[in-house]
Amino acid sequence: ETGVTQSPTHLIKTRGQQVTLRCSSQSGHNTVSWYQQALGQGPQFIFQYYREEENGRGNFPPRFSGLQFPNYSSELNVNALELDDSALYLCASGADFEAFFGQGTRLTVV
Amino acid sequence: QKEVEQNSGPLSVPEGAIASLNCTYSDRGSQSFFWYRQYSGKSPELIMSIYSNGDKEDGRFTAQLNKASQYVSLLIRDSQPSDSATYLCAVREDSNYQLIWGAGTKLIIKP
Repeated sequence: ETGVTQSPTHLIKTRGQQVTLRCSSQSGHNTVSWYQQALGQGPQFIFQYYREEENGRGNFPPRFSGLQFPNYSSELNVNALELDDSALYLCASGADFEAFFGQGTRLTVV
Repeated sequence: QKEVEQNSGPLSVPEGAIASLNCTYSDRGSQSFFWYRQYSGKSPELIMSIYSNGDKEDGRFTAQLNKASQYVSLLIRDSQPSDSATYLCAVREDSNYQLIWGAGTKLIIKP
């Protein structure tokens, strides 16, 4: 049990739609990161938030955006969904250098 | 481009033997190193972290770090069928929390 919870666990959306994925972290975990993992690949860093401010971003377009809230929850928003956005989306949080993952959201874009 | 390289496998090891997994990284500024285990369809689970050169043991797992050679390895002693999974190596600089990941090595423990 990592104390990191993601919702929903599975989601099917149509190309062009928008989606919001949610993550709830443990109290005291000031940092939250989001990753995209395509089948058979390692996770790819999307962005990171520290105390509600984005402080790092990977090579993802602006249609990937996020928010972190004071209650240690966060969101990943993806606009104008594309077929290649189909992947496992992972939220990770931690208070030190170690990152603990939620169970992930499997997004399928059709 | 910061990279983390792993042999994709599959690596097949008999039950009870030692499984050895390797990882190399390109950024000499990397300070924190992690091994995650990922079962099919599940999220990665942290099994070992190592920050200084040498060995770190935790139960059946031993992580080894050599910063001069830029490699980190994971040894699994007395391998069990339940150890069959993909093992991901991740590396982080001190300056931020971003993890750079390898693509993972698929490990198969044969009974």
